[in-house]
Amino acid sequence: EVQLVESGGGLVQPGGSLRLSCAASGFTVNNNYISWVRQAPGKGLEWVSIIYSGGSTNYADSVKGRFTISRDNSKNTLYLQMNSLRAEDTAVYFCAMGGTVTGAFDYWGQGTLVTVSS
Amino acid sequence: SYELTLPLSVSVALGQTARITCGGNNIGSKNVHWYQQKPGQAPVLLIYRNSNRPSGIPERFSGSNSGNTATLTISRAQAGDEADYYCQVWDSSTVVFGGGTKLTVL
Repeated sequence: EVQLVESGGGLVQPGGSLRLSCAASGFTVNNNYISWVRQAPGKGLEWVSIIYSGGSTNYADSVKGRFTISRDNSKNTLYLQMNSLRAEDTAVYFCAMGGTVTGAFDYWGQGTLVTVSS
Repeated sequence: SYELTLPLSVSVALGQTARITCGGNNIGSKNVHWYQQKPGQAPVLLIYRNSNRPSGIPERFSGSNSGNTATLTISRAQAGDEADYYCQVWDSSTVVFGGGTKLTVL
């Protein structure tokens, strides 16, 4: 059974840093594309970043240069390093695994809340 | 950047058919995916590649895509269908979501 479990969220001051983790089971992270998607309180889904099976990455303009996506194949875990955090980064952050058959995001974690506030 | 336009809200009477439209420039040339999200929960893939249902998704949910509009159709709407619905496409190796539609079942 595929499972994605996010962790690492919390309260951080503006300008601070945080690293989110997404522990995967039931599949191997380096065989699939996986994204981070966030949702600000009361708002819609916003794509943040993606890492492909080959290791290439991409970012939304809103986080480019501040966030870094990576993975540890030995731990089967995805990460999102978030630096220079702003109030507008406050959101629930989901990791979502892509499906080669569907071309969509087949599986989602339950999310972890990041609050950027002084 | 590519934009997807969804209505903020759609209402449907219990047992009737709801249609949620996702607008985008020549969206018919792209594959559109649809997700359902209930309060406090993660999104769930509802329709992939315009009109395909993952296993476990009821036949009441269907999709189409042509021209500048993709449509999610929910037949025989149930109270449990009340949720937010999102369309999603790929554009130049980035992921684009529509703003979301809140479906109310009356």
